[in-house]
Amino acid sequence: DAGVIQSPRHEVTEMGQEVTLRCKPISGHDYLFWYRQTMMRGLELLIYFNNNVPIDDSGMPEDRFSAKMPNASFSTLKIQPSEPRDSAVYFCASSFLGRTGTEAFFGQGTRLTVV
Amino acid sequence: GDSVTQMEGPVTLSEEAFLTINCTYTATGYPSLFWYVQYPGEGLQLLLKATKADDKGSNKGFEATYRKETTSFHLEKGSVQVSDSAVYFCALIRDNTGKLIFGQGTTLQVKP
Repeated sequence: DAGVIQSPRHEVTEMGQEVTLRCKPISGHDYLFWYRQTMMRGLELLIYFNNNVPIDDSGMPEDRFSAKMPNASFSTLKIQPSEPRDSAVYFCASSFLGRTGTEAFFGQGTRLTVV
Repeated sequence: GDSVTQMEGPVTLSEEAFLTINCTYTATGYPSLFWYVQYPGEGLQLLLKATKADDKGSNKGFEATYRKETTSFHLEKGSVQVSDSAVYFCALIRDNTGKLIFGQGTTLQVKP
């Protein structure tokens, strides 16, 4: 398996534009996580899914952020409209919780810059 | 709610020094505990894990023991190398939710 695949790796956009980040989890994994990483706030959990269903979106900062998982092999995180304070590295991770202690695997991240 | 607290960084050590990075957690039930490492410009990689009390996780010379009585999972290495310079994250999963929660990360800098 190629691991968790995120695209794009880098995104530069202007304030007010819509941004869509994409994630392909590892096949067979039943959990998918979206995290945001900044120097000031560290690694924040935004939302996570179990079997394509959102379980906890309490970390989504505001209504400008939305996430979907239309099937087991694809998820998107959308920001509309984007703002400079959204600049961060966004990570997607997936895991299989068939037994206790199974770790999550991370993608390489998308570095978002909003100017 | 569940949470993980790590010691503040950065931690700066000379090569071959002993490393300890403290991690404590708050969680109901019996979480599984993890240490992840992030090298510059990369995503997070699992370093080691422990799934129950008194378990010791180990990998690449790093060790951590799951201490339920002190709710801790401190990371140790007997002799660090320059290549160990990275950010280290302590994390937990409560097995009935699947929610993966991270500490704030500790930056380790090892100087030759």
